[in-house]
Amino acid sequence: DAKTTQPTSMDCAEGRAANLPCNHSTISGNEYVYWYRQIHSQGPQYIIHGLKNNETNEMASLIITEDRKSSTLILPHATLRDTAVYYCIVRAVANQAGTALIFGKGTTLSVSS
Amino acid sequence: DTAVSQTPKYLVTQMGNDKSIKCEQNLGHDTMYWYKQDSKKFLKIMFSYNNKELIINETVPNRFSPKSPDKAHLNLHINSLELGDSAVYFCASSYYTRGGEAFFGQGTRLTVV
Repeated sequence: DAKTTQPTSMDCAEGRAANLPCNHSTISGNEYVYWYRQIHSQGPQYIIHGLKNNETNEMASLIITEDRKSSTLILPHATLRDTAVYYCIVRAVANQAGTALIFGKGTTLSVSS
Repeated sequence: DTAVSQTPKYLVTQMGNDKSIKCEQNLGHDTMYWYKQDSKKFLKIMFSYNNKELIINETVPNRFSPKSPDKAHLNLHINSLELGDSAVYFCASSYYTRGGEAFFGQGTRLTVV
């Protein structure tokens, strides 16, 4: 899997958008970008994933640059419950069925009131 | 209904003991995983099973033995526990071809004293 680089920590005010960046400059054409988060003392939670198009679901939006070398996870209206470690993971799908997710250090997002 | 459930949630035991952690998923997934999260919060894959067959076995001491009686269960048995085994162990599950979208249990905090 390609390597990702994320800031160690970020702060966000409650109600504002949280924009979490991720660099994946060595991403291959068949690799997707996945985002997970881990709220304190809980198991990691899948958020969203994408290949090249922007994606949106009920939790977040994922913006992937045209060259696919970076992406941004957007939490449109952050709440205190969004305080967590956010992991950006790149992973192939077609030829890596059954392989496990490889977690890096992630970004610790702190949302404050 | 809890999608991926682990028991027990907490486990405190003495060095040298043998213990088991159980995991069950009710999502109909065919692949299950065990991850270890150490005190520095790094999440590392230990094992992966697909339809009761071992497909990933990272460099883990052979004191750790996973067992999958059926595709909904993946238990972890640890022999001769050591202080360094203290960690949070997470079970996860996914479809084999959609391993990027995994569901995690709430973790088992193992403390070896």
